[in-house]
Amino acid sequence: GQNIDQPTEMTATEGAIVQINCTYQTSGFNGLFWYQQHAGEAPTFLSYNVLDGLEEKGRFSSFLSRSKGYSYLLLKELQMKDSASYLCASADSNYQLIWGAGTKLIIKP
Amino acid sequence: IAGITQAPTSQILAAGRRMTLRCTQDMRHNAMYWYRQDLGLGLRLIHYSNTAGTTGKGEVPDGYSVSRANTDDFPLTLASAVPSQTSVYFCASSERLAAYNEQFFGPGTRLTVL
Repeated sequence: GQNIDQPTEMTATEGAIVQINCTYQTSGFNGLFWYQQHAGEAPTFLSYNVLDGLEEKGRFSSFLSRSKGYSYLLLKELQMKDSASYLCASADSNYQLIWGAGTKLIIKP
Repeated sequence: IAGITQAPTSQILAAGRRMTLRCTQDMRHNAMYWYRQDLGLGLRLIHYSNTAGTTGKGEVPDGYSVSRANTDDFPLTLASAVPSQTSVYFCASSERLAAYNEQFFGPGTRLTVL
């Protein structure tokens, strides 16, 4: 079957670094997305990985290991505005996205 | 219009009533999607459309129908609403149905069925 697992909630301190993990099982894997969703708002795109390795984009980086079915999102220099849910989604053989339930990130001053 | 708009923002509906959620995009994207988001669950795909004139079923299509008469509009209809359809509904679009295309989301419609 198809499945995405990520932690329900994480807490981190302003200015610190946090890593949000995601494991997936997807038939015909076609890449891994990360989206950010602030409470009461729509998801917005953060990153897409299809090859193994690390993709860096400013304070955010995303890593993929296809052999392990594993990805993580790394957030550096945390700011209060980073408090949000982070959604992991994998693209299947039909290019449809299978979504995790999201990780709620709480930033404390 | 910039991006994707949805209407209404929120709605309370009596069970058994018919309801259409509207979605319009101005990005000339070929692919459009309807998702529902429930607490503790990931976004679940209801229906999608590759291009105007074509639609397909997602993971949870029962009780919902869609149409795609043109590129911009993708309405979602609940023929006879039931309480289990209480959810937040998001419309999204992408340039095409392809793995690397990011999806752009509308602001959502919060629907309560009593």
